[in-house]
Amino acid sequence: DAEITQSPRHKITETGRQVTLACHQTWNHNNMFWYRQDLGHGLRLIHYSYGVQDTNKGEVSDGYSVSRSNTEDLPLTLESAASSQTSVYFCASSSEKGGRGRMNTEAFFGQGTRLTVV
Amino acid sequence: AQSVTQPDIHITVSEGASLELRCNYSYGATPYLFWYVQSPGQGLQLLLKYFSGDTLVQGIKGFEAEFKRSQSSFNLRKPSVHWSDAAEYFCAVGAVFGGYNKLIFGAGTRLAVHP
Repeated sequence: DAEITQSPRHKITETGRQVTLACHQTWNHNNMFWYRQDLGHGLRLIHYSYGVQDTNKGEVSDGYSVSRSNTEDLPLTLESAASSQTSVYFCASSSEKGGRGRMNTEAFFGQGTRLTVV
Repeated sequence: AQSVTQPDIHITVSEGASLELRCNYSYGATPYLFWYVQSPGQGLQLLLKYFSGDTLVQGIKGFEAEFKRSQSSFNLRKPSVHWSDAAEYFCAVGAVFGGYNKLIFGAGTRLAVHP
């Protein structure tokens, strides 16, 4: 069965370190997303991609970067981890119908990565 | 500004009671609308979606939602809640914001079910 997996599931890192969270999907979806989930804020969009070599900033992109070198993967990098980036991170993917990037299909979510920056 | 509002942070209902979770959005046209559910420690699962047509949509687990264009709302309902429905519920909007197609979520409503 197709799936979307995130790794690691839990990560503790120190302030200032570079951290990369992996996201891999086997749905062959063009759209991929990274969200962070914090109490009281729901899921906030960090970065998203409509396809290979395409990346776009979301609402809370400062301090994060992504790259899309193939369809399956969208790794999220924290350039210099800060305590404010302690959060649960979710990756998601979706297909689109009738146009590039259209958000008209179900998004499938990974299980999340709990990141703690100390 | 793009926004999805879920006015109720926490809701507690008794098992067997009816449920309505509210969702309002700010968008000039009709967006794609979704409700997702998140069980503790899990990712999100789609309950239902609305794109066009009949404004009352049916989803999984006995949930339904009604789109009301005049109120920019997409409220989730269930006639009789089960203890297993205790979870966090997110409303989401898929639309063009700032020139880009995005999927934006509300802050969520945490549902507790009393036996």
